[in-house]
Amino acid sequence: AQSVTQPDIHITVSEGASLELRCNYSYGATPYLFWYVQSPGQGLQLLLKYFSGDTLVQGIKGFEAEFKRSQSSFNLRKPSVHWSDAAEYFCAVGTYSSASKIIFGSGTRLSIRP
Amino acid sequence: DAMVIQNPRYQVTQFGKPVTLSCSQTLNHNVMYWYQQKSSQAPKLLFHYYDKDFNNEADTPDNFQSRRPNTSFCFLDIRSPGLGDAAMYLCATSRASATDTQYFGPGTRLTVL
Repeated sequence: AQSVTQPDIHITVSEGASLELRCNYSYGATPYLFWYVQSPGQGLQLLLKYFSGDTLVQGIKGFEAEFKRSQSSFNLRKPSVHWSDAAEYFCAVGTYSSASKIIFGSGTRLSIRP
Repeated sequence: DAMVIQNPRYQVTQFGKPVTLSCSQTLNHNVMYWYQQKSSQAPKLLFHYYDKDFNNEADTPDNFQSRRPNTSFCFLDIRSPGLGDAAMYLCATSRASATDTQYFGPGTRLTVL
């Protein structure tokens, strides 16, 4: 069964600094990978997703993620964070054979230092 | 414009008193999901509908039920809420499968006294 791990529970970065949030997945075949963001008291919003093709995926709000099969990773990056990026970030994995559900990681809370 | 609407945003109920949460969508999506999210945890899928076909997760307690009377609306019924059911309940929709983009509502925060 597929699973996803986000090793960092909470990260604080300074405004304007670069960001990388880690995500590792477990699945034998090529997974479907997602990053969702959840602002306080809100539902989740899709930032980007990877199914196949180019391993560097561009998303909304200036985010990108890179699929690395050799490392079973799908890390999220942003070159310069803004105070409005403070939120909870969830990595998720799905499979073609089980398209009825995706599995979310436990999330990484991002705080921005002024 | 809101695409997935959840009502109420906050719900307080008493231990054992049935409660119904509502979700509606304007996207005309085939699939509707209900997730339970406890504090600082990942959303946990309870069940989903593909059109009228109901799909229950194996570990969803019998205390949780759902109804989808039409494409636009889906309800979550908690028959006898316990203290452990206090959580944020998120409704989401997708066009045809979970690997399509899921659109989430803002959630209903349930408190059980």
